[in-house]
Amino acid sequence: TQLLEQSPQFLSIQEGENLTVYCNSSSVFSSLQWYRQEPGEGPVLLVTVVTGGEVKKLKRLTFQFGDARKDSSLHITAAQPGDTGLYLCAGEINSGYALNFGKGTSLLVTP
Amino acid sequence: DVKVTQSSRYLVKRTGEKVFLECVQDMDHENMFWYRQDPGLGLRLIYFSYDVKMKEKGDIPEGYSVSREKKERFSLILESASTNQTSMYLCATSPRVFGYTFGSGTRLTVV
Repeated sequence: TQLLEQSPQFLSIQEGENLTVYCNSSSVFSSLQWYRQEPGEGPVLLVTVVTGGEVKKLKRLTFQFGDARKDSSLHITAAQPGDTGLYLCAGEINSGYALNFGKGTSLLVTP
Repeated sequence: DVKVTQSSRYLVKRTGEKVFLECVQDMDHENMFWYRQDPGLGLRLIYFSYDVKMKEKGDIPEGYSVSREKKERFSLILESASTNQTSMYLCATSPRVFGYTFGSGTRLTVV
């Protein structure tokens, strides 16, 4: 069962454009995390959000957790080729041990 | 920084072989996880462990087993490798679910 749905699945944009990636679920999460994965490597944690409505910024990346803690978004301003990668959201339900991952959004930023 | 080391980056095995994938962490983290990652299917949890000698089945444990004799080492075992187990295998660790650190992955090909 896929608890987290990410959209879009693929995104190809030019350098300097803005973009938003979405992560949606019908389940409530106690926390939600975003990871970036480069080809041939493991995912790297970008951010964790825990409070409904929370907004976190990491340089040009803005992460938002929905008020009901069922969804999240990642907004990138002025994308750069170095932002290219697979972006994964992952949620924790009921403080269990394991995360549920979305299938990811594959982002390509061309110069 | 936590370092998670997977023993092999690339591995080619024959159908029917018993395969061991090793994962070692250099911090004192309780939780360790094994995922496999396949195109279009995302990351799927195979097994996890929240303490030495403890193990829990994930979403797709069939055909796999695990061993955790020491806190820092979590091994994934393919009892009799099959071609449908060709995949990218990712080990992760966390002090709690809050933020995984992943290894670089092992790309296993079963021929």
